[in-house]
Amino acid sequence: GAGVSQSPRYKVAKRGQDVALRCDPISGHVSLFWYQQALGQGPEFLTYFQNEAQLDKSGLPSDRFFAERPEGSVSTLKIQRTQQEDSAVYLCASSLVEVLNTGELFFGEGSRLTVL
Amino acid sequence: GDSVTQMEGPVTLSEEAFLTINCTYTATGYPSLFWYVQYPGEGLQLLLKATKADDKGSNKGFEATYRKETTSFHLEKGSVQVSDSAVYFCALSDPRSGGGADGLTFGKGTHLIIQP
Repeated sequence: GAGVSQSPRYKVAKRGQDVALRCDPISGHVSLFWYQQALGQGPEFLTYFQNEAQLDKSGLPSDRFFAERPEGSVSTLKIQRTQQEDSAVYLCASSLVEVLNTGELFFGEGSRLTVL
Repeated sequence: GDSVTQMEGPVTLSEEAFLTINCTYTATGYPSLFWYVQYPGEGLQLLLKATKADDKGSNKGFEATYRKETTSFHLEKGSVQVSDSAVYFCALSDPRSGGGADGLTFGKGTHLIIQP
């Protein structure tokens, strides 16, 4: 498709389960970002890839969170042993350029995770 | 660290009213500033941007001017329409020295409701 695609759109997990969220960026986009958006809040940065290299993972809240982009295209955000505080919308965004301050981020619709 | 503060909503206006959504920021460097909009059921999309002081970003009748002296980037529109109902996010990008992309820092969002 033409835009950023995320799946699943909705995920309900029991506490302690592992989840995997997928992002298909726009073809050819170099940069890929993951954000976490809690209810009523703005998106918060989690991690950034430039092609297959994870250049910044400073926003990942704990070592239960792991992201990969092995071939520089599709990315997966994995959350192990989910906790209730992990409930949020997880947004993926991609950009054609490497330097963000002049570029535009294209966002997917997000994956809404609810941990019971 | 960097931060963005924007007026809390919801903001409810009648059609054709004048709109201002305030946004102020703090940043260690010289950021670029953005307004993103999220329509119901859709992903965030860039509305407008400004990359240096006194620049004015504009799109779809919306405007915002980068004011370095007041560290502000207020969003304005002269005559709002029902179709403008959405959540609006102010954001900045503040590349660290040495270049490279950083994630956007977002405000919490302002929910705008336009009544016919």
